[in-house]
Amino acid sequence: ETGVTQTPRHLVMGMTNKKSLKCEQHLGHNAMYWYKQSAKKPLELMFVYSLEERVENNSVPSRFSPECPNSSHLFLHLHTLQPEDSALYLCASSQEFETDTQYFGPGTRLTVL
Amino acid sequence: AQKITQTQPGMFVQEKEAVTLDCTYDTSDPSYGLFWYKQPSSGEMIFLIYQGSYDQQNATEGRYSLNFQKARKSANLVISASQLGDSAMYFCAMRERIFNAGGTSYGKLTFGQGTILTVHP
Repeated sequence: ETGVTQTPRHLVMGMTNKKSLKCEQHLGHNAMYWYKQSAKKPLELMFVYSLEERVENNSVPSRFSPECPNSSHLFLHLHTLQPEDSALYLCASSQEFETDTQYFGPGTRLTVL
Repeated sequence: AQKITQTQPGMFVQEKEAVTLDCTYDTSDPSYGLFWYKQPSSGEMIFLIYQGSYDQQNATEGRYSLNFQKARKSANLVISASQLGDSAMYFCAMRERIFNAGGTSYGKLTFGQGTILTVHP
């Protein structure tokens, strides 16, 4: 595997379900990010991690819970979501979190029923 | 005011011709970066090209070049010799230095609304 991978690629869940999105980067980077892309809206930054430490939570509701166990893996735990949370969730990584180019994964398309 | 503005919701170009996608930005940070990404219908955001605010020359990467006009705060993407596979959504993004609540700085990417490019055979 190369680059940034995300699983699952598609997810359908009910509002009472709990699910997790997984991201893995194979680039040796130190920083990882979660973004949300809703229809007709620009990409929105959700979370920033640097060396497993959360650097930024961009006012994200607590029903989204990130986890970064090591610099290669990033999770987004989901619980009691709303239909308006349906979106494409993109993970990205960069060598370091201040100045480097971010490389994105293919995304998880989430539908909340 | 919007930080990144892409005024062209959609653009059409004939195969093998060149096309320019517009992007203007707004920042008070003297050190910033400008990026272009391509997003095919599959969803993946593919990095194309980068221009730093202190770079004297316009960035080029193969068929992609960035027309950086700092005084006008514009960073247009030029795609030469368009190919059918270039049909996709294109996003301009700007990286600024942001400080979190704890005083730690990080580079935050802000994206424009995107331009859908369609290449006709």
